[in-house]
Amino acid sequence: GAVVSQHPSRVICKSGTSVKIECRSLDFQATTMFWYRQFPKQSLMLMATSNEGSKATYEQGVEKDKFLINHASLTLSTLTVTSAHPEDSSFYICSAILLGGGETQYFGPGTRLLVL
Amino acid sequence: GQQLNQSPQSMFIQEGEDVSMNCTSSSIFNTWLWYKQDPGEGPVLLIALYKAGELTSNGRLTAQFGITRKDSFLNISASIPSDVGIYFCAGSEETSGTYKYIFGTGTRLKVLA
Repeated sequence: GAVVSQHPSRVICKSGTSVKIECRSLDFQATTMFWYRQFPKQSLMLMATSNEGSKATYEQGVEKDKFLINHASLTLSTLTVTSAHPEDSSFYICSAILLGGGETQYFGPGTRLLVL
Repeated sequence: GQQLNQSPQSMFIQEGEDVSMNCTSSSIFNTWLWYKQDPGEGPVLLIALYKAGELTSNGRLTAQFGITRKDSFLNISASIPSDVGIYFCAGSEETSGTYKYIFGTGTRLKVLA
């Protein structure tokens, strides 16, 4: 149980284009989903907290107009990287908290974004 | 962003040896979790700790939630080659009913057969 999927697993795009990444909780409902960014050989850095039906809460330094988050249902959150640039290339990972399951986060497999 | 201090940063050990790593924070956390991440994949939960002083095992893994709620350690006994990976600790803090994780800097484990 508590499986989180992400799609796509990897994407290559041209500079200036927008990329949408989906995060789904497959076998449970998630009140809250989180989006992280991870650079090579570094830890996970929280970008934003996404609550179903409300606006996402962004961490300091994360541009909300660049990283658009939508949490339309209890099983789906999307992250759209708008007007992507090479410096946005990174590994993006989502996680979800099981509804009624306390504080334990379950992570997706990640999406590797490469912006040319 | 804020991070927890995790040590050691990396370690090479012989197969069969025991491994110990720890995580410290200047802040108090309500929950400590330990994750393992393989290259190109998302972190996988190993152990979750919910009470100060709690000692929990999961197979060859044992983790403890420090009494002060500012630290935690993870032990791996009789290491095997598939234990290779990056281990992250994470502390959970609650703000206005929303939980947020702060991640440690990671410990890279390499097991020599």
